[in-house]
Formats: sequence, C-alpha cells, structure tokens
Amino acid sequence: QVTLRESGPALVKPTQTLTLTCTFSGFSLSTSGVCVSWIRQPPGKALEWLALIDWDDDKYYRTSLKTRLTISKDTSKNQVVLTMTNMVPVDTATYYCARSWRGNSGDLDHWGQGTLVTVSS
Amino acid sequence: QSVLTQPPSVSGAPGQRVIISCTGSSSNIGAGYDVHWYQQLPGTAPKVLIYDNNNRPSGVPDRFSASKSGTSASLAITGLQAEDEADYYCQSYDNSLRGSLFGGGTKVTVL
Repeated sequence: QVTLRESGPALVKPTQTLTLTCTFSGFSLSTSGVCVSWIRQPPGKALEWLALIDWDDDKYYRTSLKTRLTISKDTSKNQVVLTMTNMVPVDTATYYCARSWRGNSGDLDHWGQGTLVTVSS
Repeated sequence: QSVLTQPPSVSGAPGQRVIISCTGSSSNIGAGYDVHWYQQLPGTAPKVLIYDNNNRPSGVPDRFSASKSGTSASLAITGLQAEDEADYYCQSYDNSLRGSLFGGGTKVTVL
C-alpha cells in the first residue's frame, strides 16, 4: 500500500525558510522511474507544481521559484524534503507531495493529504 | 508562455454530458506529452481520474473519458451525477520549462 504524508510547520513568518518533509511507504525512490513531486494550492486557487526529484537524484524546479527551492531525498528514511527560502504571504497554501512511477511526465498516482502552511507575522 | 488553459466552470443537469477542455502548446501537449486528469473533491487531495490521455485507473467509472488531439485535450463526463461536483485539473509535462504544468482547474456544478 502506497502512502505519503507531508509534515512541517503550519505557520511561518515572512522571510523565513520553510522546510517540508514527505514521508512515504509502499515504494522505493531508488526504483527506476519513480519520482516524488511537490505541488501547492493557495486557498481557493489552482494546483501549482513546484519541484520533482527522481530515482536517479535528478531534480527539477518550477522556473519562477527555482532560486528559492531545494528538493532532496533520503532513500534510507523514505523521505523527500523541500525547502523554500524567503517566504512571503502569497506562499500561503496547502502543500502536497505526490508520487509518479513512470518518470517525470507520468501521472501522479498517489498523493499525500496535504499540509496547510500560512505565512504571516 | 507555457500554460494549460481550462474553462473556469462548466455545469449540467443530472444525466447530462459535460466536456472540459485543456488547451496547451507545442512545448507540452503538442510535443506529444501525455495529459493526465485529476478530480479534487472539496477539502481533499486530488485523485488521478485519467492517465496517459485516455486511460482510467481501476475504480474510476466509465462515465469519465478523455481524448487528446494536437495541442489540446478534453475530459468528458457522461451521465452527470451529483457526486461529480468537484474541481478538475489537467496536467502535462512541458519541455521548455522542464517540469510539469497544471491547468487552471474547472469547477463542475451539477444543477
């Protein structure tokens, strides 16, 4: 059974760095084709893809946020970590992690429940 | 500019058919990348509804179908039911962005 769960702070202050952890089970991020993505959704708005890390440790980022994002994995712990620097109020959103098992253009077949992050002083 | 464009909303009476379009460009759908569709019920995470343009995962009713042509794709819901009220998103890969794109989402309302 594949599961993913996001964890991290619910509230961050402007200019702070956000660190989110995706802990997963039921698959290995060292298996060829497997990727984990981070996606966010501001309240009442659309989904926005942020970053992806694949089985080969290749990393891809949303162009407009590339300078602020870092994605990494710890295969032994079954975790993927996303950091986002210099947080601002418009970064307030529910952040999801999701798996694809057929490369970086494959569908996201399993999602975490999401974690709401509010940016406010 | 690499975007996937969806209508903000569509509506239909129970039993009717609705279609949601997803218009891309030559760097995503038009480049041959697969289109995936997601359903997001209120307060829940998205769930894959259609993968690889026209394939339904196990458990998704055959009332949902999709197609792709050129730089566009579409999702059809036939025999609309109250439980289909949700937001629907298309997704594809973009080779100029080297990342995924989601459409702006379409809210389906059952009248």
